[in-house]
Amino acid sequence: AQTVTQSQPEMSVQEAETVTLSCTYDTSESDYYLFWYKQPPSRQMILVIRQEAYKQQNATENRFSVNFQKAAKSFSLKISDSQLGDAAMYFCAYRSAGTSGSRLTFGEGTQLTVNP
Amino acid sequence: EPEVTQTPSHQVTQMGQEVILRCVPISNHLYFYWYRQILGQKVEFLVSFYNNEISEKSEIFDDQFSVERPDGSNFTLKIRSTKLEDSAMYFCASHSYKAAPEAFFGQGTRLTVV
Repeated sequence: AQTVTQSQPEMSVQEAETVTLSCTYDTSESDYYLFWYKQPPSRQMILVIRQEAYKQQNATENRFSVNFQKAAKSFSLKISDSQLGDAAMYFCAYRSAGTSGSRLTFGEGTQLTVNP
Repeated sequence: EPEVTQTPSHQVTQMGQEVILRCVPISNHLYFYWYRQILGQKVEFLVSFYNNEISEKSEIFDDQFSVERPDGSNFTLKIRSTKLEDSAMYFCASHSYKAAPEAFFGQGTRLTVV
């Protein structure tokens, strides 16, 4: 079974600074997707960024980028120029792209605080 | 932009009562999911549904839970006899085809069992 681990329960960053959230995962599959979801206090799940395992290039969405290290099974999220609205819980998630099912497996989450 | 809609946003029920949580997935989507998040914990998979049957379920999804798509648009999660530990946020999600990478989440239903 796949597992996702986020070793940082809480992180904080100053507004306009950069922060990196860590995620590691365990899988025996070669084809999969990785995601970062943001969960603000409203508790809605908002997709931040997605990475396909077959792509070597790291995904980027505006101020959000990932560092995907397939061999190390590491998938970190970098938030540049942090804004107050980035404060939220962030979940890393894994999804198989093969035949073993399409459920999402989530990590425990990292609570990000942005200080003005 | 199409979205997944869940109702109600918050439901309070007495222990032992049956509850039905409702979801309207995006209209051309074929794969549907329910996830649960107990307060302060991670999001956990409950069940996936395709072609009018369960395709996968977790160990959490026991006989107290059931899902159905009664009318081709709604996707419901029923809990037959609620327990205090069923109190959680329940999320519905959907995607269009099996290999579609992104699942779209509803805004969630907060279930409180008293």
